[in-house]
Amino acid sequence: TQLLEQSPQFLSIQEGENLTVYCNSSSVFSSLQWYRQEPGEGPVLLVTVVTGGEVKKLKRLTFQFGDARKDSSLHITAAQPGDTGLYLCAARPNYGGATNKLIFGTGTLLAVQP
Amino acid sequence: GAVVSQHPSRVICKSGTSVKIECRSLDFQATTMFWYRQFPKQSLMLMATSNEGSKATYEQGVEKDKFLINHASLTLSTLTVTSAHPEDSSFYICSALGLAHEQYFGPGTRLTVT
Repeated sequence: TQLLEQSPQFLSIQEGENLTVYCNSSSVFSSLQWYRQEPGEGPVLLVTVVTGGEVKKLKRLTFQFGDARKDSSLHITAAQPGDTGLYLCAARPNYGGATNKLIFGTGTLLAVQP
Repeated sequence: GAVVSQHPSRVICKSGTSVKIECRSLDFQATTMFWYRQFPKQSLMLMATSNEGSKATYEQGVEKDKFLINHASLTLSTLTVTSAHPEDSSFYICSALGLAHEQYFGPGTRLTVT
């Protein structure tokens, strides 16, 4: 089983603070995705990273794929209450015949206090 | 963008009864759909891969006789929770695989078994 471990598991911060969420694995992935999910809704795709060392920015969110394609990080600058939600990394496992399955990380629950 | 719907959005059933959840791809055909289960404040756990015209592939530890999956057409997959018990109460989310192998997620179904 290829596990995607996220840290921290829970994070409560004040509006305006910066934060980083990590997604780590011992496996190499061809690509990795980040999702955000609000209570009672399905996850929404934020970004897909493909190349080792790749950095993508989405407004105040910066995503990085590790050089070895085993890990990724999500950095949020000047967090706002609207950033509150469950952040999930996800990747396709490499074992044969299962390239379309998506395995999710353990999740990071973020609460941004006004 | 691609839209996936789920019905119902919420369902309450009595212990021992069965409940069916529908997942539809509204504007594209999906030969492959996925079913996930999510407990409060936790990540998504892949239950099974639903294949149109063939049997579903279940993840290790998921009872196929408990969670019946039928992918009757290219736009519809159903998950039936048979003889439901309170421990089956959860948030069930489906996704549909698009042509570019992107997964499009439904809004989820909240199942409560009393």
